[in-house]
Amino acid sequence: AQKITQTQPGMFVQEKEAVTLDCTYDTSDPSYGLFWYKQPSSGEMIFLIYQGSYDQQNATEGRYSLNFQKARKSANLVISASQLGDSAMYFCAMRENTGNQFYFGTGTSLTVIP
Amino acid sequence: DAGVIQSPRHEVTEMGQEVTLRCKPISGHDYLFWYRQTMMRGLELLIYFNNNVPIDDSGMPEDRFSAKMPNASFSTLKIQPSEPRDSAVYFCASRPAGGLLTDTQYFGPGTRLTVL
Repeated sequence: AQKITQTQPGMFVQEKEAVTLDCTYDTSDPSYGLFWYKQPSSGEMIFLIYQGSYDQQNATEGRYSLNFQKARKSANLVISASQLGDSAMYFCAMRENTGNQFYFGTGTSLTVIP
Repeated sequence: DAGVIQSPRHEVTEMGQEVTLRCKPISGHDYLFWYRQTMMRGLELLIYFNNNVPIDDSGMPEDRFSAKMPNASFSTLKIQPSEPRDSAVYFCASRPAGGLLTDTQYFGPGTRLTVL
């Protein structure tokens, strides 16, 4: 079974609007971390935000927030007030406490429309 | 503070040639990961090291691929002989020691390999 599933290959959003990128995960480890990365067309992988499995509150970093629903095993990324520079691929990843490997999803391509 | 450094940034070679990709992790990071990214297969973990020791190389596709980490500040990924299907972007990433779940991986800029 896939550890990380991103079901949206591509998304479009109007500039200044909010957008939600979906991510579901699969693990039996009670302790894990969830990460989101941005990959612009230039190719580098940029860390955006982290959510721990025991965190009581949803993580926020500027315009990025994570809608963490533990019972549903989902960790959706919310980008508020989208900007043209947000156009990129976005990857969800997970690391289990029992291991060192990061499991990545297949990514979602976000396009911000002016 | 320098991030993960990879060289070369671009490599074009002919089928059958040996290719060596290089990585310098962030100083003080004990974990080093090599990934391959293609459109078809996404981001794949090839191998990772802890304190210069290979821990998991189950993602290395074939015997043509080999990786070494002779010291804490340098790692290589070698493909010999290279084939057109090896064309991809190869990323190196490093992570601090301590094993905290909050510790993210820091990626290098990647090496875009094209095998003709």
